[in-house]
Parts: sequence; structure tokens; C-alpha cells
Amino acid sequence: AQSVTQLDSHVSVSEGTPVLLRCNYSSSYSPSLFWYVQHPNKGLQLLLKYTSAATLVKGINGFEAEFKKSETSFHLTKPSAHMSDAAEYFCVVSFSLNTNAGKSTFGDGTTLTVKP
Amino acid sequence: DAGVIQSPRHEVTEMGQEVTLRCKPISGHNSLFWYRQTMMRGLELLIYFNNNVPIDDSGMPEDRFSAKMPNASFSTLKIQPSEPRDSAVYFCASSWASGRDDTQYFGPGTRLTVL
Repeated sequence: AQSVTQLDSHVSVSEGTPVLLRCNYSSSYSPSLFWYVQHPNKGLQLLLKYTSAATLVKGINGFEAEFKKSETSFHLTKPSAHMSDAAEYFCVVSFSLNTNAGKSTFGDGTTLTVKP
Repeated sequence: DAGVIQSPRHEVTEMGQEVTLRCKPISGHNSLFWYRQTMMRGLELLIYFNNNVPIDDSGMPEDRFSAKMPNASFSTLKIQPSEPRDSAVYFCASSWASGRDDTQYFGPGTRLTVL
């Protein structure tokens, strides 16, 4: 079984300050891990993904995440928040076996607010 | 690639009417997923297909909902009869479930309002 927990439902930062969105996962197998972003009234866009290569993954718009197996975490960070980063962020875990055909488990989402 | 295509983008209907949502996955992908998103319940997986075969429909709310995938390039989600509580944004996503990279690519969604 696999599960994912986003530790904060809401995060508020000031523009120009660092962003940290926390995600813990559990999986019986080596997982693939993803972060998606959803801007208001938009679809989900892939930010970055970890698929067992480098543990530090760089994504779009300056975001990155580090896979830490010992901590079962995949936290999303950005050095300096921009107003356009205000959105909802989803952490996702999946593993592909023939039995589940790539089914993913989504976290409940973290709403990021950026204050001017 | 055009990405995942969904139609219509917006649908307003009256209670009791039939609603059909359509999805065209990314060419070459072998898995297709239907999700529903509401403020109350967040993002829910309704059903997913692999190689056009439904694998898991445990998320389908009730018998009023049905989904089909007649071929690799088209899927429908039908609600009959529709009810106001079905109002939500419905997303379709597709992926190439082959092993290590199961990235799902989402369509823009269909916003359904049932009056």
C-alpha cells in the first residue's frame, strides 16, 4: 500500500522569502514521487518528479525537491517566492506494477499564499 | 503534442439530464484516469483504464456514473441522471505506465454545474 501526507494544508510566505512545502510518503516499493501545481481555475501542471535517479530534483519555476529515503520525505522548496507562485500544490506517490497500471496516490494539497 | 484534450470545458445542465464528458489522451499513452475535484472532497480518482480496459472503478460514486474507453484515443464519462451534488471539475489524465516513470498529464478539466 502507498500513502502520502502533506503536513500543512496552508502555507503563507512573503514575496522574496523561501518556500517549504512538506510531504511524507509511505510505499512498500521504491516509489516515484511528483509535485504538481494547480493555479486557480486551472488544471494540474507537473512541477517536478523523482524516479530513482538523482535525489535532488530540479523542476520548473525555480522549485526543487529532495528525496530522503531515511525520512520518507519529499519536501518542495524554492529560495525566493514570487507572487505568481500562489497556488495549490499536490504531492503524489506512485509505483508501476502490472497490477495497478501506474495508479497514483495524491496528497490533500497545500495552499500557498504569497504576501506582497 | 496537444496534450490531453477535454470537452466541453464548461457544462451547465439541469437536474435529471444526461451529461457526457469527453477526453482524448496523449497519443501513445496506455493509461487514462478520470478525477473529480470539489472544494469539499478535494481531488478524487473515479476510475482508470489501462490499455482501454477498466482496472479500478471503485471511486465511481454510484450507478449513475459510467465510463468507457472504446479505443486508445477516446474516453467518455457519463452521468445519468445528473444531480446538483455532481457539480464539480472533472479532470482527465493520461500516462505511459511502463515502469519507473508514471507521470500523469492532466487535461484542463470540465467544469460541470448541475442546477
